[in-house]
Amino acid sequence: EVQLVESGGGLVQPGRSMKLSCAASGFTFSNYGMAWVRQAPTKGLEWVATISYDGSSTYYRDSVKGRFTISRDNAKSTLYLQMNSLRSEDTATYYCTREGANAYWGQGTLVTVSS
Amino acid sequence: DIVMTQGVLPNPVPSGESASITCRSSKSLVYKDGKTYLNWFLQRPGQSPQLLTYWMSTRASGVSDRFSGSGSGTYFTLKISRVRAEDAGVYYCQQVREYPRTFGSGTKLEIK
Repeated sequence: EVQLVESGGGLVQPGRSMKLSCAASGFTFSNYGMAWVRQAPTKGLEWVATISYDGSSTYYRDSVKGRFTISRDNAKSTLYLQMNSLRSEDTATYYCTREGANAYWGQGTLVTVSS
Repeated sequence: DIVMTQGVLPNPVPSGESASITCRSSKSLVYKDGKTYLNWFLQRPGQSPQLLTYWMSTRASGVSDRFSGSGSGTYFTLKISRVRAEDAGVYYCQQVREYPRTFGSGTKLEIK
């Protein structure tokens, strides 16, 4: 059974940093591109970043470029999102997703940026 | 960026009836391999999104055949036949033709 379990969310002050993790199981992690998608409270879905299966390529939405870094450790089947210089508008539930055909989503972790 | 525009449903939809959700993209989602890179997701209340169809019309593993995707390069439809209470939620289309990936704003389906 495919499982994606996010962790690392919580309350953080504006300007500070936070690192999210996503532990994958039930499939060959190193074969898939992975992504982070977020959803602000009561809002729609917003793609944040994608990393290729081997980590050689990364893509970001403009509003997080230079602040967020997506990375992966294929030996640990784990995806990461390092978030720096956090802003109130980054407040959202962050979902770890497996890309491609038969995409799959985790349950999400809530990040609240507030003083 | 590719803009995805979703239609609105005349809610609530009676149980057992059909419902069609529309989605339009500002650019063709057909890639050079001939595939149309359009996903449909359902987000039930309090849950994470679930993939329904990919490549515009291919059902995801385990998804009921009551869900069917169709369309052209820029206009897409998700049809739900014989709607049930469990189909209630918000439906999103997403283009994965290019970066940045973009979603429609969502279409809410309520069941009567």
